[in-house]
Amino acid sequence: GAVVSQHPSWVICKSGTSVKIECRSLDFQATTMFWYRQFPKQSLMLMATSNEGSKATYEQGVEKDKFLINHASLTLSTLTVTSAHPEDSSFYICSAIPLGGGGNEQFFGPGTRLTVL
Amino acid sequence: EDKVVQSPLSLVVHEGDTVTLNCSYEVTNFRSLLWYKQEKKAPTFLFMLTSSGIEKKSGRLSSILDKKELFSILNITATQTGDSAVYLCLIGGTSYGKLTFGQGTILTVHP
Repeated sequence: GAVVSQHPSWVICKSGTSVKIECRSLDFQATTMFWYRQFPKQSLMLMATSNEGSKATYEQGVEKDKFLINHASLTLSTLTVTSAHPEDSSFYICSAIPLGGGGNEQFFGPGTRLTVL
Repeated sequence: EDKVVQSPLSLVVHEGDTVTLNCSYEVTNFRSLLWYKQEKKAPTFLFMLTSSGIEKKSGRLSSILDKKELFSILNITATQTGDSAVYLCLIGGTSYGKLTFGQGTILTVHP
């Protein structure tokens, strides 16, 4: 149980294009999902908190117009990297808290590796 | 600002060795400390600790929390090459679901 999937797992795009990454909780509902970014040999950095039915909350320094987050349902959140540039190349991971969960244990997706040429 | 510091940052051992990973923290409001193992992809959950002095065990892994001294340790006995990974220490505070991450400890186990 408690499986989170991400799609795609790996994407290469040209500079200036937009890329959408999906995060799905497969066997549970999640009112809250989180988006993280991870650079090589570094820990995860929280980008934003995605709440179903409301606007995402972005961490300081994260451009909300560049990283568009939509939490359309209790099982799906999407992150769209708009007008991607090479510096956006990174590993993006989402996590989800089960509905009714205490907020501590999160289940992580497998991540999406984005490479912007 | 909440802070989580892990040590060592990297560790190389041989199969069969026992390792101890450390995590110290300074947080405004503590709810829980979590240990995750990250291999190539998603971090996988190991332990959640909320109370001092109670050891949690899972096979060769164990962990304990000291809320007075503000640290936790993760022990791995009889290490195997499959234990090679990044071990992340996270703190859950009062802000629902938001976790503060440590830098991680890179463990490499050689045959």
